[in-house]
Amino acid sequence: RKEVEQDPGPFNVPEGATVAFNCTYSNSASQSFFWYRQDCRKEPKLLMSVYSSGNEDGRFTAQLNRASQYISLLIRDSKLSDSATYLCVVRSNAGNMLTFGGGTRLMVKP
Amino acid sequence: ETGVTQSPTHLIKTRGQQVTLRCSSQSGHNTVSWYQQALGQGPQFIFQYYREEENGRGNFPPRFSGLQFPNYSSELNVNALELDDSALYLCASSLWDRGETQYFGPGTRLLVL
Repeated sequence: RKEVEQDPGPFNVPEGATVAFNCTYSNSASQSFFWYRQDCRKEPKLLMSVYSSGNEDGRFTAQLNRASQYISLLIRDSKLSDSATYLCVVRSNAGNMLTFGGGTRLMVKP
Repeated sequence: ETGVTQSPTHLIKTRGQQVTLRCSSQSGHNTVSWYQQALGQGPQFIFQYYREEENGRGNFPPRFSGLQFPNYSSELNVNALELDDSALYLCASSLWDRGETQYFGPGTRLLVL
C-alpha cells in the first residue's frame, strides 16, 4: 500500500464547477500536510498547507481529518488556469522528508 | 520564481554510464532535498543534505549518492545508469526547520537509453 494515495483522475470539469480531491495517508506519525500544484513539465509548487481546523485561500479550501487520516481539497468556481496535477503531500516528524501522492489530474474545459 | 536552479535541464545517457546533476539552493537556505519523479507518478524522496551531511535517505540504492558544498549547493550522482532511472530529478531547498516550506527547482529531465 502506498503511503499517500490519491485518485489519479483525470477530473474533467466545466469552467465554474466545484471539484473536490481526496487523499489518504497511512503513516499516523505524519505531522504536516500540504497540497502542491504541478503544471505539465514543470516543478511542483506549494498551493497551501492543510490544518486540522481547515483553511481557505480564495477559491481553495483544504481540510484535514487526523482520525481518518484523510485530506481534502475543494476548488470552487473552477478556472481554465486551474488545469494541472494536484499533489497531496505529507511530512512526518522524523525529518524534513516530503512524501507525495501520485497526483490527481484536473482538466477544466470552457 | 523560487530562486532554486538546476543544471542541466535535459540529459540523455546510455545504460551503465554515470551522471552528475547540480542544484543551487535559494539564497539563505541550508538544506537541499532530492526527488525522483517518474512519468505519471508523484516525486519520490531520494535523500536530503543539511550542512554538507546526508540527513535522511529514501528507498534508493547506493549507486545514488550526493554532495553538498559549503555554499549549500548540491550534486546528485547516479552510477551504473539503468533504463528505469529515466525521470525528472527535482531538488528542493529549505531552511533547516521542520515547519519550513521546500522550494523546488525546475528539474533535470534524464533519459537513459
